[in-house]
Amino acid sequence: AQKVTQAQTEISVVEKEDVTLDCVYETRDTTYYLFWYKQPPSGELVFLIRRNSFDEQNEISGRYSWNFQKSTSSFNFTITASQVVDSAVYFCALSSLSNTGNQFYFGTGTSLTVIP
Amino acid sequence: DGGITQSPKYLFRKEGQNVTLSCEQNLNHDAMYWYRQDPGQGLRLIYYSQIVNDFQKGDIAEGYSVSREKKESFPLTVTSAQKNPTAFYLCASRTRQGWNEQFFGPGTRLTVL
Repeated sequence: AQKVTQAQTEISVVEKEDVTLDCVYETRDTTYYLFWYKQPPSGELVFLIRRNSFDEQNEISGRYSWNFQKSTSSFNFTITASQVVDSAVYFCALSSLSNTGNQFYFGTGTSLTVIP
Repeated sequence: DGGITQSPKYLFRKEGQNVTLSCEQNLNHDAMYWYRQDPGQGLRLIYYSQIVNDFQKGDIAEGYSVSREKKESFPLTVTSAQKNPTAFYLCASRTRQGWNEQFFGPGTRLTVL
């Protein structure tokens, strides 16, 4: 079974603080992809990053960084020096080879509020 | 500009009425998806389609129907059989090849009065 868990329902931080959003996944497949999406108040999901199961290198893009650890089945997302514009709901998702139609399995999301 | 459009943005319907949500994409994607989003429950898959004239049920297909007569279009009908239709509905698409991400439309917020 495929499952994604985002245990943090809501997080509030003060602007310029760093924040880490947790994502834990379950799959029996050896080939899979993990994704992070951002959903601002407007509602549309915006793709942030894709990572395959064979690449455990950490990724950094500006203030965003991702830590993928297969040993703990985690794909955590860190925002450095948070800004008010980072306020949104963030979703982690999993897609694996065994899915028919390449279904995506989404976590329940983490709502981040950055306080100015 | 390439992308996914959903209309209308807000939709109100009376209980017992069917309503159709539009989803159009000009990204030349083969696969299209419909999700339902409720507070605190993330995204749940309703239906998906990998090619024209073919579609499969997702996790919560009861009370919904779809069609895929054109590659660009994947309309979703919320029928009167859907017991709790008030929700935010998101349409997505992606290429079938590889492991590309899904692209999402702006969503339709349906409220049943």
